[in-house]
Amino acid sequence: EDQVTQSPEALRLQEGESSSLNCSYTVSGLRGLFWYRQDPGKGPEFLFTLYSAGEEKEKERLKATLTKKESFLHITAPKPEDSATYLCAVLFGGGAQKLVFGQGTRLTINP
Amino acid sequence: NAGVTQTPKFQVLKTGQSMTLQCAQDMNHEYMSWYRQDPGMGLRLIHYSVGAGITDQGEVPNGYNVSRSTTEDFPLRLLSAAPSQTSVYFCASSYGWEGGYGYTFGSGTRLTVV
Repeated sequence: EDQVTQSPEALRLQEGESSSLNCSYTVSGLRGLFWYRQDPGKGPEFLFTLYSAGEEKEKERLKATLTKKESFLHITAPKPEDSATYLCAVLFGGGAQKLVFGQGTRLTINP
Repeated sequence: NAGVTQTPKFQVLKTGQSMTLQCAQDMNHEYMSWYRQDPGMGLRLIHYSVGAGITDQGEVPNGYNVSRSTTEDFPLRLLSAAPSQTSVYFCASSYGWEGGYGYTFGSGTRLTVV
């Protein structure tokens, strides 16, 4: 069964304390992996797209990496405004409908 | 430039009632889709459209209908509301269905069916 699993479910860090979020997937025919940020009461906001193993993307304090089995979202020296739920989604197979989201990691950065 | 606009933001329905959730985008995106988000379940695709006049089913289409008569609008109709349809609904659009450009999501409609 095609699955996308994110860990941990929740993560609490101190401001400046770097860490990583994980997204593992078991799908056939990966065509792209996406990271989104979601703030409470709002829709997800697009961050990155990764297409092949070894690819990396960066944006401010965030860096996304991709292997054949998983992706990491590294957060360097986070600030309280980085607090949000981070969603991973995988596009696979032959049809446009096959975009599967993980359940998300709720990140809290304490000042 | 409003992006993706969803209305209403909140709605309470009685079991068996029908309603339409509105979604409009002003970015000339070809691809539009509807998701529902439930605690512990992640976002699940209900229906999607790759262009005006073309729609198809996603992962959880039962109980919902869609149509796409214009590029801008993609309404979601609940035919006979059930408590299991209590959820937060998001509309999303993109230049292409590959998602490489990134889906733009609306702010959501929180629906409660009693």
